[in-house]
This record gives sequence, structure tokens and C-alpha cells, in this order.
Amino acid sequence: GQQVMQIPQYQHVQEGEDFTTYCNSSTTLSNIQWYKQRPGGHPVFLIQLVKSGEVKKQKRLTFQFGEAKKNSSLHITATQTTDVGTYFCADRGSTLGRLYFGRGTQLTVWP
Amino acid sequence: DTEVTQTPKHLVMGMTNKKSLKCEQHMGHRAMYWYKQKAKKPPELMFVYSYEKLSINESVPSRFSPECPNSSLLNLHLHALQPEDSALYLCASSQGLGQGARQPQHFGDGTRLSIL
Repeated sequence: GQQVMQIPQYQHVQEGEDFTTYCNSSTTLSNIQWYKQRPGGHPVFLIQLVKSGEVKKQKRLTFQFGEAKKNSSLHITATQTTDVGTYFCADRGSTLGRLYFGRGTQLTVWP
Repeated sequence: DTEVTQTPKHLVMGMTNKKSLKCEQHMGHRAMYWYKQKAKKPPELMFVYSYEKLSINESVPSRFSPECPNSSLLNLHLHALQPEDSALYLCASSQGLGQGARQPQHFGDGTRLSIL
């Protein structure tokens, strides 16, 4: 099945520092969705990237889709304690209904 | 606030019990999903329903039995579970399974299941 690699698994930052998580695949990704799961919570949809080279911003969050559609990244500028959680990328793949999740990056922010 | 409602939020059951997890959405979504999530892992797909018909069964053991009574409801019937089945069970819904449209999945809060 589709393999989506996500790194790093854990990231600890001081509040105000930047944070980036990366997803990549050896095969072309269909489209990438990003989800955030707070501790004790459920995954919440953040954004979807469909086009090659696409860049989208949501306030301090910047999402990118690689030109070859084989990688994607999420960058947070000046992290805040409210950014704490696990960020998952997921590829829709070619099988309808299936999302291929990366393993997630657990972000901890020290005040 | 989540638009996908799951009950119960917590469930403790013995290995011989029979229980059911319930999920409800009123967004008019036609695809509904069950996921299992262990700590520090991504959600693992179990079942997908599309227009109330089972579309995907990810080789889930028969002690888990899904049911979709109507387009708004999704149940997961549990029987003779094992301790390793303890996990967070998440329900999700999306507009449909079409490739062309934007199809984010909306997750419920989940049911935290513990098997004694």
C-alpha cells in the first residue's frame, strides 16, 4: 500500500521558535491532507493540498506541496503553547475512502 | 465542538461482554468511517461505508461488526474482545468518496475502550 513517511517523530521547541514537519513518499502523492490532534483529542482537518508546488497559509502555518508531488511540509512560525499536539499528514491515494497517514509529529512547546 | 457525535466517550468491558459504539452526523455526509487508534500512533482504518453500504473492510476480526442503519448513523458492535483491542475508536465522516471533490474527514471525539 501507499507509504507516507513523516519526520521527525517528536519535536520539542521553546515558545517563539519555529517548527517544521515533513512528509515524503517514493511514489506520487494524490493529494495531501494535514490534521492536528491535541492531547486527548481527535484529529482535526487543517488543510488539503492538491496542486504541484502549492503553498497555502493559515496565519502562522504554512503548508507546501512539492513540485513532484512526492513531499509536503507544514511550517509553524513563532510557536505558541496552543500549537501543542500531533500533526499528521495523510495522502488520499488511489483507493476511494482510504487515507494513508504518516506516523505523525508530536510537538511540545515549552513556555 | 465536533459535528460528529460518538457515544459513549469511555467504555470498560470484559472479554465476554457485548457492547456497541455509536456515531451520528447531521452534515449530510454519505461516507462514514471507523478507525482504531493506539497511543502515539496514527489512526488505522477499520471500515468504510458509502451510501450505507460497506465499501472497505480492512480485514478486521469478526469480533468487530459494523452497521450503518441510515445515512446519519454508524454503529460498531463489539463481542468477545481481547485486551489488545483497548484503544481509542474514532468515527469520521466525509461528503463522499469521490476523487474530484475536496473530501476532508470530520472526526468525532472517539470512544476510549478498555478491555479487562
